[in-house]
Amino acid sequence: TQLLEQSPQFLSIQEGENLTVYCNSSSVFSSLQWYRQEPGEGPVLLVTVVTGGEVKKLKRLTFQFGDARKDSSLHITAAQPGDTGLYLCAGAFGSGTYKYIFGTGTRLKVLA
Amino acid sequence: ETGVTQSPTHLIKTRGQQVTLRCSSQSGHNTVSWYQQALGQGPQFIFQYYREEENGRGNFPPRFSGLQFPNYSSELNVNALELDDSALYLCASRSRDQETQYFGPGTRLLVL
Repeated sequence: TQLLEQSPQFLSIQEGENLTVYCNSSSVFSSLQWYRQEPGEGPVLLVTVVTGGEVKKLKRLTFQFGDARKDSSLHITAAQPGDTGLYLCAGAFGSGTYKYIFGTGTRLKVLA
Repeated sequence: ETGVTQSPTHLIKTRGQQVTLRCSSQSGHNTVSWYQQALGQGPQFIFQYYREEENGRGNFPPRFSGLQFPNYSSELNVNALELDDSALYLCASRSRDQETQYFGPGTRLLVL
Protein backbone atom coordinates (compact mmCIF):
# COMPACT_ATOMS: atom_id res chain seq x y z
CA THR A 1 0.00 0.00 0.00
CA GLN A 2 1.43 3.32 -1.07
CA LEU A 3 1.73 5.97 1.60
CA LEU A 4 2.91 9.55 1.42
CA GLU A 5 4.01 11.30 4.58
CA GLN A 6 4.24 15.05 4.65
CA SER A 7 6.09 17.12 7.21
CA PRO A 8 5.65 19.34 8.98
CA GLN A 9 1.87 19.24 9.37
CA PHE A 10 1.68 22.85 10.51
CA LEU A 11 4.05 25.75 10.02
CA SER A 12 3.70 29.34 11.19
CA ILE A 13 6.49 31.69 10.19
CA GLN A 14 7.22 35.39 9.80
CA GLU A 15 7.24 37.12 6.44
CA GLY A 16 10.68 36.91 4.84
CA GLU A 17 11.67 33.57 6.37
CA ASN A 18 12.55 30.48 4.36
CA LEU A 19 10.89 27.08 4.79
CA THR A 20 11.00 23.56 3.44
CA VAL A 21 8.18 21.02 3.26
CA TYR A 22 8.96 17.34 2.84
CA CYS A 23 7.04 14.53 1.19
CA ASN A 24 8.35 11.01 1.80
CA SER A 25 7.39 7.49 0.82
CA SER A 26 8.83 4.01 0.66
CA SER A 27 7.19 3.62 -2.76
CA VAL A 28 8.49 4.70 -6.15
CA PHE A 29 6.28 7.10 -8.07
CA SER A 30 6.23 7.76 -11.79
CA SER A 31 5.72 11.44 -11.00
CA LEU A 32 4.87 13.70 -8.13
CA GLN A 33 2.70 16.78 -8.06
CA TRP A 34 2.54 19.68 -5.64
CA TYR A 35 -0.69 21.58 -5.07
CA ARG A 36 -1.80 24.54 -3.01
CA GLN A 37 -5.33 24.60 -1.65
CA GLU A 38 -7.35 27.44 -0.17
CA PRO A 39 -10.17 26.69 2.31
CA GLY A 40 -13.29 25.35 0.59
CA GLU A 41 -11.65 25.22 -2.85
CA GLY A 42 -10.05 22.53 -4.97
CA PRO A 43 -6.27 22.03 -5.06
CA VAL A 44 -4.44 24.15 -7.62
CA LEU A 45 -1.50 22.52 -9.36
CA LEU A 46 1.87 24.16 -8.73
CA VAL A 47 4.24 21.74 -10.45
CA THR A 48 4.74 18.18 -11.67
CA VAL A 49 8.15 16.54 -11.30
CA VAL A 50 8.89 13.43 -13.31
CA THR A 51 12.60 12.66 -13.45
CA GLY A 52 14.62 11.50 -10.44
CA GLY A 53 16.77 14.37 -9.19
CA GLU A 54 14.72 16.93 -11.09
CA VAL A 55 14.61 20.48 -9.75
CA LYS A 56 11.96 22.96 -10.84
CA LYS A 57 11.61 26.58 -9.85
CA LEU A 58 8.46 28.67 -9.76
CA LYS A 59 9.42 32.18 -8.69
CA ARG A 60 10.32 31.82 -4.99
CA LEU A 61 9.30 28.14 -4.87
CA THR A 62 11.82 25.37 -5.58
CA PHE A 63 10.67 21.78 -6.02
CA GLN A 64 12.94 18.76 -6.00
CA PHE A 65 12.21 15.12 -6.81
CA GLY A 66 14.43 12.59 -5.06
CA ASP A 67 16.90 10.56 -7.11
CA ALA A 68 14.96 7.37 -6.39
CA ARG A 69 11.59 9.06 -7.06
CA LYS A 70 10.38 8.21 -3.55
CA ASP A 71 10.49 11.66 -2.00
CA SER A 72 10.20 15.34 -2.79
CA SER A 73 10.67 18.72 -1.19
CA LEU A 74 9.23 22.17 -1.60
CA HIS A 75 11.37 25.11 -0.53
CA ILE A 76 9.96 28.62 -0.27
CA THR A 77 12.36 31.53 -0.13
CA ALA A 78 11.39 34.78 1.58
CA ALA A 79 7.84 33.68 2.36
CA GLN A 80 5.04 36.19 1.95
CA PRO A 81 1.53 36.29 3.49
CA GLY A 82 0.15 35.34 0.06
CA ASP A 83 1.90 31.96 0.40
CA THR A 84 -0.47 31.02 3.21
CA GLY A 85 -2.45 27.87 2.44
CA LEU A 86 -2.50 24.08 2.50
CA TYR A 87 0.29 22.49 0.50
CA LEU A 88 -0.33 18.96 -0.78
CA CYS A 89 1.93 16.50 -2.52
CA ALA A 90 0.46 13.71 -4.66
CA GLY A 91 2.30 10.73 -6.07
CA ALA A 92 1.26 9.06 -9.32
CA PHE A 93 1.80 5.34 -9.85
CA GLY A 94 0.79 2.85 -12.48
CA SER A 95 1.16 3.18 -16.19
CA GLY A 96 -1.42 4.75 -18.46
CA THR A 97 -4.14 4.23 -15.88
CA TYR A 98 -2.40 6.35 -13.27
CA LYS A 99 -3.59 6.41 -9.70
CA TYR A 100 -2.68 9.05 -7.18
CA ILE A 101 -2.19 9.17 -3.46
CA PHE A 102 -2.02 12.37 -1.50
CA GLY A 103 -0.02 13.37 1.49
CA THR A 104 -1.83 14.67 4.55
CA GLY A 105 -0.84 18.24 3.73
CA THR A 106 1.16 21.03 5.32
CA ARG A 107 -0.78 23.99 6.55
CA LEU A 108 1.38 27.10 6.19
CA LYS A 109 0.65 30.46 7.75
CA VAL A 110 2.90 33.40 6.95
CA LEU A 111 2.54 36.32 9.31
CA ALA A 112 3.07 39.89 8.13
CA GLU B 1 -9.27 28.35 -13.77
CA THR B 2 -8.75 24.68 -14.56
CA GLY B 3 -11.78 24.23 -16.81
CA VAL B 4 -13.17 21.59 -14.45
CA THR B 5 -16.55 22.49 -12.97
CA GLN B 6 -18.58 20.82 -10.24
CA SER B 7 -22.15 21.15 -9.04
CA PRO B 8 -23.63 21.86 -6.64
CA THR B 9 -21.12 23.89 -4.63
CA HIS B 10 -22.76 23.05 -1.31
CA LEU B 11 -25.29 20.45 -0.23
CA ILE B 12 -26.99 19.47 3.03
CA LYS B 13 -28.52 16.01 3.39
CA THR B 14 -29.74 13.86 6.24
CA ARG B 15 -28.48 10.43 7.20
CA GLY B 16 -29.86 7.65 5.00
CA GLN B 17 -30.53 9.88 1.99
CA GLN B 18 -28.89 9.59 -1.40
CA VAL B 19 -26.87 12.25 -3.22
CA THR B 20 -25.59 12.83 -6.76
CA LEU B 21 -22.66 15.12 -7.44
CA ARG B 22 -21.67 16.26 -10.93
CA CYS B 23 -18.43 17.10 -12.67
CA SER B 24 -17.62 18.50 -16.11
CA SER B 25 -14.12 17.70 -17.30
CA GLN B 26 -11.69 20.01 -18.95
CA SER B 27 -12.05 19.90 -22.73
CA GLY B 28 -10.08 17.02 -24.24
CA HIS B 29 -9.73 15.12 -20.97
CA ASN B 30 -11.08 11.56 -21.06
CA THR B 31 -10.21 10.44 -17.55
CA VAL B 32 -11.89 11.65 -14.37
CA SER B 33 -11.15 10.79 -10.76
CA TRP B 34 -13.17 11.48 -7.65
CA TYR B 35 -11.74 12.22 -4.21
CA GLN B 36 -13.13 12.70 -0.73
CA GLN B 37 -11.39 15.24 1.47
CA ALA B 38 -12.33 15.33 5.12
CA LEU B 39 -11.60 18.46 7.09
CA GLY B 40 -7.89 18.88 7.77
CA GLN B 41 -6.85 15.90 5.65
CA GLY B 42 -5.52 15.25 2.19
CA PRO B 43 -7.85 13.98 -0.55
CA GLN B 44 -8.62 10.25 -0.54
CA PHE B 45 -9.06 8.50 -3.90
CA ILE B 46 -12.57 7.11 -4.44
CA PHE B 47 -12.46 5.88 -8.03
CA GLN B 48 -11.44 6.74 -11.58
CA TYR B 49 -13.29 6.52 -14.89
CA TYR B 50 -11.87 6.23 -18.37
CA ARG B 51 -14.12 6.10 -21.43
CA GLU B 52 -17.23 5.46 -19.34
CA GLU B 53 -15.74 2.55 -17.40
CA GLU B 54 -14.42 2.40 -13.86
CA ASN B 55 -10.74 1.47 -14.01
CA GLY B 56 -9.55 2.01 -10.47
CA ARG B 57 -11.09 2.19 -7.03
CA GLY B 58 -9.92 3.21 -3.60
CA ASN B 59 -11.00 1.85 -0.24
CA PHE B 60 -14.63 3.00 -0.38
CA PRO B 61 -17.77 0.84 0.03
CA PRO B 62 -20.10 -0.04 -2.87
CA ARG B 63 -22.61 2.62 -1.83
CA PHE B 64 -20.17 5.02 -3.52
CA SER B 65 -20.77 4.62 -7.25
CA GLY B 66 -20.15 6.64 -10.35
CA LEU B 67 -20.84 7.19 -13.99
CA GLN B 68 -18.99 8.75 -16.87
CA PHE B 69 -20.86 9.95 -19.92
CA PRO B 70 -19.83 10.01 -23.61
CA ASN B 71 -18.91 13.70 -23.27
CA TYR B 72 -16.60 12.64 -20.37
CA SER B 73 -18.64 14.44 -17.73
CA SER B 74 -19.15 12.39 -14.60
CA GLU B 75 -21.35 11.75 -11.59
CA LEU B 76 -20.63 10.50 -8.10
CA ASN B 77 -23.54 8.85 -6.32
CA VAL B 78 -23.59 8.06 -2.63
CA ASN B 79 -26.40 5.96 -1.17
CA ALA B 80 -27.43 5.55 2.46
CA LEU B 81 -25.52 8.62 3.58
CA GLU B 82 -23.68 8.47 6.88
CA LEU B 83 -22.50 11.31 9.09
CA ASP B 84 -18.87 10.50 8.20
CA ASP B 85 -19.63 11.17 4.54
CA SER B 86 -19.55 14.89 5.33
CA ALA B 87 -16.58 16.18 3.35
CA LEU B 88 -15.39 18.13 0.34
CA TYR B 89 -15.80 15.99 -2.79
CA LEU B 90 -13.37 16.78 -5.56
CA CYS B 91 -13.20 15.65 -9.13
CA ALA B 92 -10.08 15.85 -11.25
CA SER B 93 -9.70 15.36 -14.99
CA ARG B 94 -6.78 14.58 -17.25
CA SER B 95 -5.85 13.01 -20.55
CA ARG B 96 -5.20 9.32 -20.07
CA ASP B 97 -1.62 9.53 -21.34
CA GLN B 98 -0.73 12.48 -19.13
CA GLU B 99 0.04 12.29 -15.45
CA THR B 100 -1.04 15.78 -14.50
CA GLN B 101 -4.62 16.07 -13.27
CA TYR B 102 -6.64 19.25 -12.77
CA PHE B 103 -9.15 19.73 -9.99
CA GLY B 104 -12.54 21.31 -9.84
CA PRO B 105 -13.56 23.58 -6.95
CA GLY B 106 -15.32 20.76 -5.12
CA THR B 107 -18.74 20.13 -3.61
CA ARG B 108 -19.04 20.49 0.12
CA LEU B 109 -21.47 17.91 1.50
CA LEU B 110 -22.85 18.08 5.01
CA VAL B 111 -24.75 15.09 6.35
CA LEU B 112 -26.92 15.75 9.40
